[in-house]
Amino acid sequence: SAVISQKPSRDICQRGTSLTIQCQVDSQVTMMFWYRQQPGQSLTLIATANQGSEATYESGFVIDKFPISRPNLTFSTLTVSNMSPEDSSIYLCSVEIAGPAYNEQFFGPGTRLTVL
Amino acid sequence: AQKVTQAQTEISVVEKEDVTLDCVYETRDTTYYLFWYKQPPSGELVFLIRRNSFDEQNEISGRYSWNFQKSTSSFNFTITASQVVDSAVYFCAPLGGGATNKLIFGTGTLLAVQP
Repeated sequence: SAVISQKPSRDICQRGTSLTIQCQVDSQVTMMFWYRQQPGQSLTLIATANQGSEATYESGFVIDKFPISRPNLTFSTLTVSNMSPEDSSIYLCSVEIAGPAYNEQFFGPGTRLTVL
Repeated sequence: AQKVTQAQTEISVVEKEDVTLDCVYETRDTTYYLFWYKQPPSGELVFLIRRNSFDEQNEISGRYSWNFQKSTSSFNFTITASQVVDSAVYFCAPLGGGATNKLIFGTGTLLAVQP
């Protein structure tokens, strides 16, 4: 398993500003993922962040809006840029851990973002 | 591409009742994995169970059990003798066997267990 922490746990931001969310894992992992969960909705994958390469974004998400850094195997950041109220969501990072038969995904506690 | 359908938006039961959460999935992968996650009101995602596509044996783990039917692409999850602490949103999520390893989440089922 993996212990994942996220900072901040919640924030209230003004329209037009940017927020950087940090994700820290207690072990080295190859693959990290960033998800968004809008109010009352399911989780949607934003991007896959691999160390040493550029993040791979899913359809509907772009690097200019959600720049991601992955400086090492235990840490990643997601920035929500030029925020609008529609960006109000829970943002979760997850990591993939190799298991005996298959890989498992563990999730951080999430960052609750409210944009006014 | 994968797709998940959780037709039950909300379920309300009384404590100690059994409850089954439905999940139907679509995938083109021949090998894949299926997961159930729980999201209580606090917001964190809690891993519950997983299943391999090549193993249709159904199992029980404590109060949890699951019924995997590959022929109908269904992966239903049952909680026996429900408790108030089981109240949460439950997500079914297939994981492709390809290189991307992306979880695709269903829309979730909100389970409310009344005392």
